[in-house]
This record gives sequence, C-alpha cells and structure tokens, in this order.
Amino acid sequence: ETVMTQSPVTLSVSPGERATLSCRASQSVNSNLAWYQQKPGQAPRLLIYGASSRATGIPARFSGSGSGTEFTLTISSLQSEDFAVFYCQQYGNWPLTFGGGTKVEIK
Amino acid sequence: QVQLQESGPGLVKPSETLSLTCAVSGGSISSYYWSWIRQSPEKGLEYIACFFNSGSTNYHPSLMSRATISVDTSKNQLSLRLTSVTAADTAVYFCAGASRWLSFDFWGQGTLVTVSS
Repeated sequence: ETVMTQSPVTLSVSPGERATLSCRASQSVNSNLAWYQQKPGQAPRLLIYGASSRATGIPARFSGSGSGTEFTLTISSLQSEDFAVFYCQQYGNWPLTFGGGTKVEIK
Repeated sequence: QVQLQESGPGLVKPSETLSLTCAVSGGSISSYYWSWIRQSPEKGLEYIACFFNSGSTNYHPSLMSRATISVDTSKNQLSLRLTSVTAADTAVYFCAGASRWLSFDFWGQGTLVTVSS
C-alpha cells in the first residue's frame, strides 16, 4: 500500500504567520491527493483536492501544491480557527491511505 | 447541503458482527461515491471500503474478508457490516461521501464503537 508520511508531526506557529505542512507518498499518486482539517471531536473537513484545488467554501489562505510523491499545504496567515490537525489522503492507488497528521498549535 | 448521520451499537462483543448505518439527507445517495473510514489512536485514519454508483465496491485488503459495504437507495442509506470483530476494531467509524473522485466532501459526525466483553 502507499504509505503517506507527514512532517512535521507538530508545528508551533503564531497567529498571522505562515504554516507549511509536508506530505510524502511512498510511490507516485500523481495529483490524487487531498488535505483535511480535523478539530477535536469533529469529523475531518476537506480543504484541498486534486493536490491544489480548494474545496467549496475554503478560504484562499489555504493552498496546496505538488504532484507525484511530494506535496505541500500552505496556510498563508494563520487565523485562530485554523489551529487543528491536518491530514493528507491519497486516492491514486488502492487502498486509499491517510498520513499520520500534523498538529498545528499556537506558539 | 448533504448531511450524514451514522447509527449503530456503541458496544460490540468480540467475535460478533458490527452493523452500522449512515442516513443521507439533502441529496441523492446515487449521486456520490461513498466510503466507510475509521479512526483510532493506534492506527489513525483508516480506509475500510468504498461503494460506487455503478454498484461496485472496493475494500481494504486487510478487511476484505470481514467487511461488507452496501447502499439502499430506497432508504438513501449506506451500511457497513464487519464480522468477527476484535479489540483492534475499536474506533470511531465515519461514513463519508465524495462528489469528486474519492476526495471526501461530506462526513458524518462519527460513531464510537468499542469491542469488549
């Protein structure tokens, strides 16, 4: 199966600063990658699909890039509501797999 | 706005069968791709199965022998059966739907299933 590795595990950022999250696939998934945000006690929320397309209603401060095996989620200016755990998910190969998550916390 | 609501027993005994349902409202179940995904502290987010609007299915290889995903279009409802459960199946189970290929726009709130005697 395609193993998804996210880094860092924890990212401490001040509000208003930029956050850059990485996701690496053990084999190519082309652009079949999604990013999700999850807050405690909630389901994941789709942020990005197709590696770089924002889902409906997602603010422009969230952007995704990459293809093949290397992907990045950038949050340009962190707002208080953005602090959460972020997951990448590949859908280029079966079975679907998720990364272990990056927790973005307030510095 | 599509909304999903999972239901099922919170506690299942080892070796028994877990049955979950997901009621879909705000849209036709035939219009989307559907999946069951679970989350535990040990394994994180784990894909279980997908149901496609063609009627075909896909399962995680490690669960294929025990899991069955199905859709009842008359009830607008998604279901999951998982047989011969063990403590390793303890998790929060989510139903999820995708309007585009396998990136999941819609999620239920999740239902905690504990496997214990």
